[in-house]
Amino acid sequence: AQRVTQPEKLLSVFKGAPVELKCNYSYSGSPELFWYVQYSRQRLQLLLRHISRESIKGFTADLNKGETSFHLKKPFAQEEDSAMYYCALSGGNYGQNFVFGPGTRLSVLP
Amino acid sequence: GAVVSQHPSRVICKSGTSVKIECRSLDFQATTMFWYRQFPKQSLMLMATSNEGSKATYEQGVEKDKFLINHASLTLSTLTVTSAHPEDSSFYICSANPTGGSNQPQHFGDGTRLSIL
Repeated sequence: AQRVTQPEKLLSVFKGAPVELKCNYSYSGSPELFWYVQYSRQRLQLLLRHISRESIKGFTADLNKGETSFHLKKPFAQEEDSAMYYCALSGGNYGQNFVFGPGTRLSVLP
Repeated sequence: GAVVSQHPSRVICKSGTSVKIECRSLDFQATTMFWYRQFPKQSLMLMATSNEGSKATYEQGVEKDKFLINHASLTLSTLTVTSAHPEDSSFYICSANPTGGSNQPQHFGDGTRLSIL
């Protein structure tokens, strides 16, 4: 069965410091991995997906199949990055087998 | 981009009332929609998968008679919480992705905050 883990419930960093939100997954096939972000009092929204290999708001994430990881990184954190971040996995067509990780709350301190 | 509209955004009602929540895909068709429940400070938990024209698939532990799902068209799914009680108070979120794409990301509604008195 597919599973997504995010070991840190809360991550606090100072403004300007690098940040890495960890995500590991287990899936027998070739999954697609996503990062979603939920800012305070806003809807959950897609941040990035591994196949697009793009950088959104300075965040990047590389899929490491050997380590089954999809860590989210940003070299210089900003206060507005404070939010809840969810790693998610999609293992089937039309979004079936879509699994969320438990989430990591990022707090960027001034 | 794809937009999912969820209505109402907030409901406050008495115990025993049935509450209907609508989830609409505004600019795309969705064969499948998903209903989640989010407890405070916790991740989303998938409740059920809503399938257009057929019965919904419920996750283990979710009472199908309690949470009725109807997906009558390719743009609308409804979740009805029947005879709601205070323990049903939660944040309910729907999501959908365009029909015809595999491994597409989900697009989420704004959610409905349900408070049962």
